[in-house]
Amino acid sequence: GENVEQHPSTLSVQEGDSAVIKCTYSDSASNYFPWYKQELGKGPQLIIDIRSNVGEKKDQRIAVTLNKTAKHFSLHITETQPEDSAVYFCAAVGMAGNMLTFGGGTRLMVKP
Amino acid sequence: DAGVIQSPRHEVTEMGQEVTLRCKPISGHDYLFWYRQTMMRGLELLIYFNNNVPIDDSGMPEDRFSAKMPNASFSTLKIQPSEPRDSAVYFCASSKGRTGSPLHFGNGTRLTVT
Repeated sequence: GENVEQHPSTLSVQEGDSAVIKCTYSDSASNYFPWYKQELGKGPQLIIDIRSNVGEKKDQRIAVTLNKTAKHFSLHITETQPEDSAVYFCAAVGMAGNMLTFGGGTRLMVKP
Repeated sequence: DAGVIQSPRHEVTEMGQEVTLRCKPISGHDYLFWYRQTMMRGLELLIYFNNNVPIDDSGMPEDRFSAKMPNASFSTLKIQPSEPRDSAVYFCASSKGRTGSPLHFGNGTRLTVT
């Protein structure tokens, strides 16, 4: 099955700096890669996603890049704010087509 | 849209007791997923349904776990008997359609088994 590795597990940045979280996946047939943000006491919430026919996607301060050859994708957050502090999960859809496999999560802390 | 609704938010029970977690998916969504989240294992898919039919339950850890979806607006996850190692946050999520459909999570049930 699909295996998704996520790094780093924790990330601390100063407010205003950029944050980058990286993921690798194992199934070359995977074609959908969402990112979720989980705040304390809440369920994960989709913040951005990318499909395999696209190399990059941006939404305001958030961007995701995908390298299908290397089987890795990354989340970039620019001009970080304290409210960006949360746990972020990457995920990939494997061959089954319905089941998301999640990475282990990254705890992002933005210091004011 | 009220989102995915889970109940209870917190459950504390003693080892050996039966536990039932409940989920109401978003109206119109045809896929429903049950996940378990722990520090050690992260987010694990337990089972998912399509149009109320269980499709893949390979993630269900043991026979002590069972899940049902009697109709499109309700699902339950039952643990009988419960054990301390079942302590975790259990999430229900729903989506409309197949690959590439956003998954909407509830706020979870935090289960503590003493």
